[in-house]
Amino acid sequence: GEDVEQSLFLSVREGDSSVINCTYTDSSSTYLYWYKQEPGAGLQLLTYIFSNMDMKQDQRLTVLLNKKDKHLSLRIADTQTGDSAIYFCAEGDSSASKIIFGSGTRLSIRP
Amino acid sequence: DTGVSQDPRHKITKRGQNVTFRCDPISEHNRLYWYRQTLGQGPEFLTYFQNEAQLEKSRLLSDRFSAERPKGSFSTLEIQRTEQGDSAMYLCASSSEDRVGGYTFGSGTRLTVV
Repeated sequence: GEDVEQSLFLSVREGDSSVINCTYTDSSSTYLYWYKQEPGAGLQLLTYIFSNMDMKQDQRLTVLLNKKDKHLSLRIADTQTGDSAIYFCAEGDSSASKIIFGSGTRLSIRP
Repeated sequence: DTGVSQDPRHKITKRGQNVTFRCDPISEHNRLYWYRQTLGQGPEFLTYFQNEAQLEKSRLLSDRFSAERPKGSFSTLEIQRTEQGDSAMYLCASSSEDRVGGYTFGSGTRLTVV
């Protein structure tokens, strides 16, 4: 079945890069997403990548996709206190019926 | 467009009561999704609509749950005979046909069953 896994916690020093990792099982995944959820707020789409791409960069965000290993990562450069949140990895197939989410990685920033 | 709106933001109900939530999607989006999120977990898919047709329902959606989207615009999610295990955040999202840009989520309705 479909499954998306992430580590639960990540702590980084302010100004360093954060790398959040995700693995998924569905080989038919067409779209892979990163969402951000701040306390008490809804989910905000950060970025997404098509399965035929290896990398996507968007300002401080870099997404890397290793389709062979079904591994997705999100790198946040120059991490700031405002980046503190839970980050969800999600995958969807071309049928566009639903997106499957991981359990989320809580990113905390140390001064 | 103000994005995806959900009402109410919070609902406290006694066990055994029925509750109904409403979602107003982005107007040009024809797909609408309901998810449930419990503490420390990611959103779990419940059901989705394309226009007024309900095309998929999760096994999580017991017969106490029903969702409608009668005119292909707003949607309602009703839970009958609520149980304490129904306590969660209920999220609504919408997307365009091609879903290339992912979903736009509402802020959710937090249900507490006491």
